[in-house]
Amino acid sequence: DAGITQSPRHKVTETGTPVTLRCHQTENHRYMYWYRQDPGHGLRLIHYSYGVKDTDKGEVSDGYSVSRSKTEDFLLTLESATSSQTSVYFCAISESPKTETQYFGPGTRLLVL
Amino acid sequence: AQKITQTQPGMFVQEKEAVTLDCTYDTSDPSYGLFWYKQPSSGEMIFLIYQGSYDQQNATEGRYSLNFQKARKSANLVISASQLGDSAMYFCAMRDPADGGSQGNLIFGKGTKLSVKP
Repeated sequence: DAGITQSPRHKVTETGTPVTLRCHQTENHRYMYWYRQDPGHGLRLIHYSYGVKDTDKGEVSDGYSVSRSKTEDFLLTLESATSSQTSVYFCAISESPKTETQYFGPGTRLLVL
Repeated sequence: AQKITQTQPGMFVQEKEAVTLDCTYDTSDPSYGLFWYKQPSSGEMIFLIYQGSYDQQNATEGRYSLNFQKARKSANLVISASQLGDSAMYFCAMRDPADGGSQGNLIFGKGTKLSVKP
């Protein structure tokens, strides 16, 4: 199994508070991704990173920011959480864009009240 | 229009029988990749199988095979000899260079919930 951890695994927060989710990998993969999973939508890409300090937006990036200061860590921040951001968040990694496999972390369940 | 379509929200299969989960896709790029992931009730996403658009043969991984019909733009997952542990959500996904796929971004279908009956 790929070495990917996410923290926290569960979080409950209130509307308007900032939240940061962390993805940590031990595989030294260059590419990292944040997805959210909602009922009826499958997984949708929020942001991705193609190297340290290199990030770009995905399909549903509004309300989210990311940072990657080290190869192994990719942070997802909700600057001011809203109830619509209640979701399960998955981090994924891949060695290159053309790799056959994108490995996923265990997910973080976020509830915004 | 949806890039990945999974038309079966839920399916039942008898234990030890084979089952096919449907997936159709839409892309204008000749170079793309197709993936299947399994998500059990515990929530993790487990990679099952991959098919590249230029691969000449259908991909197989143990009891999983991908029925790739390029002209029909379908990439159905076939699970042979179903087991109770196969009960899960199954997601089809595509890496489309025309839609961020050059950076590895995956586009997912909405999933099919498979239930295996004893």
